[in-house]
Amino acid sequence: ETGVTQTPRHLVMGMTNKKSLKCEQHLGHNAMYWYKQSAKKPLELMFVYNFKEQTENNSVPSRFSPECPNSSHLFLHLHTLQPEDSALYLCASSHRTGLQTTGELFFGEGSRLTVL
Amino acid sequence: AQKITQTQPGMFVQEKEAVTLDCTYDTSDPSYGLFWYKQPSSGEMIFLIYQGSYDQQNATEGRYSLNFQKARKSANLVISASQLGDSAMYFCAMREGGFGNEKLTFGTGTRLTIIP
Repeated sequence: ETGVTQTPRHLVMGMTNKKSLKCEQHLGHNAMYWYKQSAKKPLELMFVYNFKEQTENNSVPSRFSPECPNSSHLFLHLHTLQPEDSALYLCASSHRTGLQTTGELFFGEGSRLTVL
Repeated sequence: AQKITQTQPGMFVQEKEAVTLDCTYDTSDPSYGLFWYKQPSSGEMIFLIYQGSYDQQNATEGRYSLNFQKARKSANLVISASQLGDSAMYFCAMREGGFGNEKLTFGTGTRLTIIP
């Protein structure tokens, strides 16, 4: 069982709907990330939160709105999406430290989003 | 220019044979880290192995080893004695800069299929 849980695993929504993706990590990490994975494209970093503060917004359209209420939870609020936003959205966490660590990311299983 | 290049979109390998997955990278930062992740059909990205730019020896983790050739900027993953469960997508990724930056840049991946 992964230490990073994402819900829902699958979501179908119309372009006028509002929905949210949820991510929860049980690893005691202090940084959380949203990545977008589209077919035949590299994973794209969307947002980074470090100790609940957003430290990276990788030029993501405003129809994607992240929220990080605490170090264990991360949301991605979706509204007025486009069909090209259909993708697998992966949440990840890591332990940011000045010590010598590899800094690998721990991923959830993703939320498969389809926009009609 | 792409920072991570994986030139093999797909590979078919006989069970129990060794397989090498290619990865080249591009960075001018002297401090960086290289990662390999496995993504089975469930969607989760599973961390396999890490190589730091200053590491003198090639990284090994069980059946996984990383063939790090710094001058050529390549970081190929070698899987020994392949198993049916190794069938998955494999992604090479790079972290630029020192520890404390866990933003990873991913390649497009290689789909590995193990044949019984």
